[in-house]
Amino acid sequence: DIQMTQSPSSVSASLGDRVTITCRASQGISSSLVWYQKEPGKAPKLLIFAASTLQSGVPLRFSGSGSGTDFTLTISSLQPEDSATYYCQQANSFPWTFGQGTKVEIK
Amino acid sequence: QVQLVESGGGVVQPGRPLRLSCAASGFTFSSYGMHWVRQAPGKGLEWVAVISYEGSAKHYADSVKGRFTISRDNSKNTLYLQMNSLRAEDTAVYYCAKEANPRISAALDYWGQGTLVTVSS
Repeated sequence: DIQMTQSPSSVSASLGDRVTITCRASQGISSSLVWYQKEPGKAPKLLIFAASTLQSGVPLRFSGSGSGTDFTLTISSLQPEDSATYYCQQANSFPWTFGQGTKVEIK
Repeated sequence: QVQLVESGGGVVQPGRPLRLSCAASGFTFSSYGMHWVRQAPGKGLEWVAVISYEGSAKHYADSVKGRFTISRDNSKNTLYLQMNSLRAEDTAVYYCAKEANPRISAALDYWGQGTLVTVSS
C-alpha cells in the first residue's frame, strides 16, 4: 500500500499569513493527489484534485502543486474560516490512503 | 442538489454484524462509483471501500478485507456496507461519498454527514 506522510502535523498562523502543507507519497503517484478540508462535526470538503485543480466553489487562496512523490497545499492568505484539519489522499491505486492530517489554527 | 444520507449506525457488541445504508439523491446514482470512509474518535480519515458504478468492481482497505462487504442497489439509489465480526477498532463515524467523475476514480466531491458506529460490550 502507498503511505502518505504530511507535515507539519499542526501549524498556528496569523490572519493573512501564507500557510504551506506538504504531503509525501511512499512511491510515485503521478498527479493523483487530492486535498480535503475537515472541520469537527462536518463532512470532509474537496478542495483540490489531480494535485493542482481547484474544485468548483473553493476560494482562490487555496492552491496545490507537485507530482510524483512530493506535493504541497498552500493557503495564500489565511482566513478565519480556514481553521480546520487538512488531509491529502492518493488516488493512484487502491487501497486509497490518506495522510495523517495537518491541523491549521489561527493565532 | 446532491444528498447522501447515511443510516444504520449504533452501538453493537464485538463480533456482531451491522449494516449501514446510504440513500442518494440529486444525481444519477447508477453512473458513479461510491465509497465508504471512516474516522475513529480523535483520529484521521481512513478509506474503507469502493464499488464501481454498476457494482462489478470492489476494493477494500486491508483493515476490513474479509469482514466488510460493500454493495449497491441502483434501483433504490442506495449504497450499503455490511460489517461483520466487528472489533473495537471499527468504532468510527462512517461516511459515504460520491466520486467526482463518472469515468475515473480520482476524488470524492460529495459526502454524507456520517453515521456513528460504536463497537462495545
